[in-house]
Amino acid sequence: DAKTTQPPSMDCAEGRAANLPCNHSTISGNEYVYWYRQIHSQGPQYIIHGLKNNETNEMASLIITEDRKSSTLILPHATLRDTAVYYCIVRVAGGSQGNLIFGKGTKLSVKP
Amino acid sequence: SAVISQKPSRDICQRGTSLTIQCQVDSQVTMMFWYRQQPRQSLTLIATANQGSEATYESGFVIDKFPISRPNLTFSTLTVSNMSPEDSSIYLCSVRTGAVGELFFGEGSRLTVL
Repeated sequence: DAKTTQPPSMDCAEGRAANLPCNHSTISGNEYVYWYRQIHSQGPQYIIHGLKNNETNEMASLIITEDRKSSTLILPHATLRDTAVYYCIVRVAGGSQGNLIFGKGTKLSVKP
Repeated sequence: SAVISQKPSRDICQRGTSLTIQCQVDSQVTMMFWYRQQPRQSLTLIATANQGSEATYESGFVIDKFPISRPNLTFSTLTVSNMSPEDSSIYLCSVRTGAVGELFFGEGSRLTVL
């Protein structure tokens, strides 16, 4: 699986957009980008995933660059409840293995 | 999605004892995994729990230390054997149900070994 690089921490003002970057310069053509988050003392929560097109759901938007070497997770109106560690993971979808390899992630602190 | 229940949610154990963690899923799933999260660390995959056969362990994890059962498609257990303080971690059960590999996690079992 491709390695990802994320900033260790970020701050965001409540109500503003939080833009979390992820570099995955060695991503392969069949690897998806997944985002998860882990709120303190809880299990990780799936947020969104994408292959090459930008994606949006009720939680967030995912912007993937044209060369697919980086992506940005956007929380359009961050709330205090969005304070968490956000993990960017790339891997092949499907196949016999289902595990995801978690890096250190970005600790997002949303401040009032 | 899937609803995953883990028991116990937390426990404090003595060195040298063993603890079994249970994971119950509200639907049948093929892929089930056990992760460990040591204090202030990210998640590390321990093993894939295979229904009807022995679990597949990741490098650094062995069956004698972390025996796993998977009697059916909705249930699994992880045992942490002969515990030491270094085993103090959160142990997480996860399942893969999505078409493109998204995982869903239980709330974790926080284990403290004295």
